[in-house]
Amino acid sequence: RKEVEQDPGPFNVPEGATVAFNCTYSNSASQSFFWYRQDCRKEPKLLMSVYSSGNEDGRFTAQLNRASQYISLLIRDSKLSDSATYLCVVNEENFVFGPGTRLSVLP
Amino acid sequence: DAGITQSPRHKVTETGTPVTLRCHQTENHRYMYWYRQDPGHGLRLIHYSYGVKDTDKGEVSDGYSVSRSKTEDFLLTLESATSSQTSVYFCAISDGTHEEDTQYFGPGTRLTVL
Repeated sequence: RKEVEQDPGPFNVPEGATVAFNCTYSNSASQSFFWYRQDCRKEPKLLMSVYSSGNEDGRFTAQLNRASQYISLLIRDSKLSDSATYLCVVNEENFVFGPGTRLSVLP
Repeated sequence: DAGITQSPRHKVTETGTPVTLRCHQTENHRYMYWYRQDPGHGLRLIHYSYGVKDTDKGEVSDGYSVSRSKTEDFLLTLESATSSQTSVYFCAISDGTHEEDTQYFGPGTRLTVL
């Protein structure tokens, strides 16, 4: 079975901290990669796509390592509003979602 | 935000009754998906559609059927609901026109089967 795995957490970090999430995937033929954010009792929302060269969007940096089949998300200067579950998503023939990593940013 | 609505947003029903959930989009996207989300399992694909009247099964399709008679509507039917189908159901859409196409989700339907 094709799988996407993540550390479920929770990650409890103070405001201003840097936190990193990793995700591994099993299908080497996977085509594209994404991070989604899901707030409690809400729908998942796209946070950012993940490119082979790595990409940055403000405080968020995503990286892809195809050889090792893992994806990472780095959040710098954490805010209270970053508290959510972060889903790693891999597009094979269909989108495959990881179980999510829960982040709590504490005051 | 993508124009996706789901109805109903909440439903409580009894075992053995039929239930239909509706997903409606205003984005004219080709692909539509139904997922269920349960604690410890993440999002799991039930069925998807790649065009009007074109559907296919996902990972957890048993006990579910779908129909898509118009581009904008994708219906999920539980012919005879069971307690194991208590879940949060999300509809998603995607354009499907390029390699890095991504999915956009509706607000979800919370279904409880007693």
